[in-house]
Amino acid sequence: DTGVSQNPRHKITKRGQNVTFRCDPISEHNRLYWYRQTLGQGPEFLTYFQNEAQLEKSRLLSDRFSAERPKGSFSTLEIQRTEQGDSAMYLCASSSRTSGNTGELFFGEGSRLTVL
Amino acid sequence: AQSVTQLDSQVPVFEEAPVELRCNYSSSVSVYLFWYVQYPNQGLQLLLKYLSGSTLVKGINGFEAEFNKSQTSFHLRKPSVHISDTAEYFCAVSPLFGNEKLTFGTGTRLTIIP
Repeated sequence: DTGVSQNPRHKITKRGQNVTFRCDPISEHNRLYWYRQTLGQGPEFLTYFQNEAQLEKSRLLSDRFSAERPKGSFSTLEIQRTEQGDSAMYLCASSSRTSGNTGELFFGEGSRLTVL
Repeated sequence: AQSVTQLDSQVPVFEEAPVELRCNYSSSVSVYLFWYVQYPNQGLQLLLKYLSGSTLVKGINGFEAEFNKSQTSFHLRKPSVHISDTAEYFCAVSPLFGNEKLTFGTGTRLTIIP
């Protein structure tokens, strides 16, 4: 069990550029979540996948944001035309349906985005 | 919908002293309750959780929490803190039915004073 892996760990970009983050969940986990965490705040839910299906999206996920999980394994989160307000830590988490809804999510270390 | 309130954004505590981090929640449905810890430059780790049964739950690193349904609280306690407990602590809830989508509080930064 190698845990949830996120890449890149840090990304600095200029306003208007596109960025993409990747998340590799724990291999047997079929549920995958994206959260955003800004300074001084708790993580905020962005979107959720069960296998390859995106089942829920937060209103925080504007049309500049898109997430995919094409084969039900890794996931990508793309932000187009970045704005300074997008600067945050983007967290990925996974869980296994076989354990039932025990609420335990396993988090990666996050991808920190800085938009200049 | 659910919401979580952590009134204390920062809590300084002397080493070996007891600590309590407060958490209150609001929900229109029954929920599971959690405390997660985030050490500097690390991801979130589950500290403990309440699903059902005994209202006093024990977690890792000597932490425990008590679920109080009437007060809708889930306060975290440790009888004697250590320097290594310096971290950000997040209280969270998720609905009993459906997926594990967590709603987090704003966090409490615990600073241990030597």
